[in-house]
Amino acid sequence: KAGVTQTPRYLIKTRGQQVTLSCSPISGHRSVSWYQQTPGQGLQFLFEYFSETQRNKGNFPGRFSGRQFSNSRSEMNVSTLELGDSALYLCASSLWRDQETQYFGPGTRLLVL
Amino acid sequence: GQQVMQIPQYQHVQEGEDFTTYCNSSTTLSNIQWYKQRPGGHPVFLIQLVKSGEVKKQKRLTFQFGEAKKNSSLHITATQTTDVGTYFCAGPNLGHVGGKLIFGQGTELSVKP
Repeated sequence: KAGVTQTPRYLIKTRGQQVTLSCSPISGHRSVSWYQQTPGQGLQFLFEYFSETQRNKGNFPGRFSGRQFSNSRSEMNVSTLELGDSALYLCASSLWRDQETQYFGPGTRLLVL
Repeated sequence: GQQVMQIPQYQHVQEGEDFTTYCNSSTTLSNIQWYKQRPGGHPVFLIQLVKSGEVKKQKRLTFQFGEAKKNSSLHITATQTTDVGTYFCAGPNLGHVGGKLIFGQGTELSVKP
C-alpha cells in the first residue's frame, strides 16, 4: 500500500506570496493532520481533518488554512507568507478519527525569502 | 496544559555504545508511541506501548512503559550509524484542543563511527 504523498516536496517563495500544499493520505485513511516542523520547535500541530471537516486547530494565525476533499486528500494554504513560515510541513494520516498513530508523509520543505 | 518532555535533547555517542532517551508525561497515558526521524526525513512510527510496565524489543531497540504509565524509555544497545536521527515519543492528547498526539521535543542522536 502506498504511503502518504505530499506535493510539492520543495518550494521557494517570497514574503507576501501565498502557497498551497497538497497531501494524499494512505488509501483508506480518512483522518489527515498537518504539522509544522522547525529546528528547535519540534512538531507543531496545525490542524486535523476528518470527513471533510476541520476537527481541531492548533495555535496558528488565520493565514494558515486547510481543507479536505471527499476522497480524503487534503490541502493547506498559507497566505501572506512571512520569513518565519520557512519550515518543513508534514502531513500525517490515520485510518480513523480516533486512531492516534500518525503515518507521516515526506513533507514539503518551504523556504520563504 | 498537558506536556510530554524528553531528555536529553541531544546525545552524541561512539558507535557501539549504548543510548537511552527518556520520556515523561505530565498526565497518565493510555499508551505511548515512539517515532524516528532520520536527518532530512520524516517521522516514522516505530512502536506503541499500552500496558503498564510493558517492555517491547525490536532488534537492538528496547522500549519500556512505566508502571504509572507516565514515563517511557527507549534504549538502543550497541549503536550503529544507521541509528542516527531524532527519536520522538508521543502520548494521546487528552484535551479538546490540538492534535491527536502530544509529541515530545525529541532526542537527537548522533553516532560517531
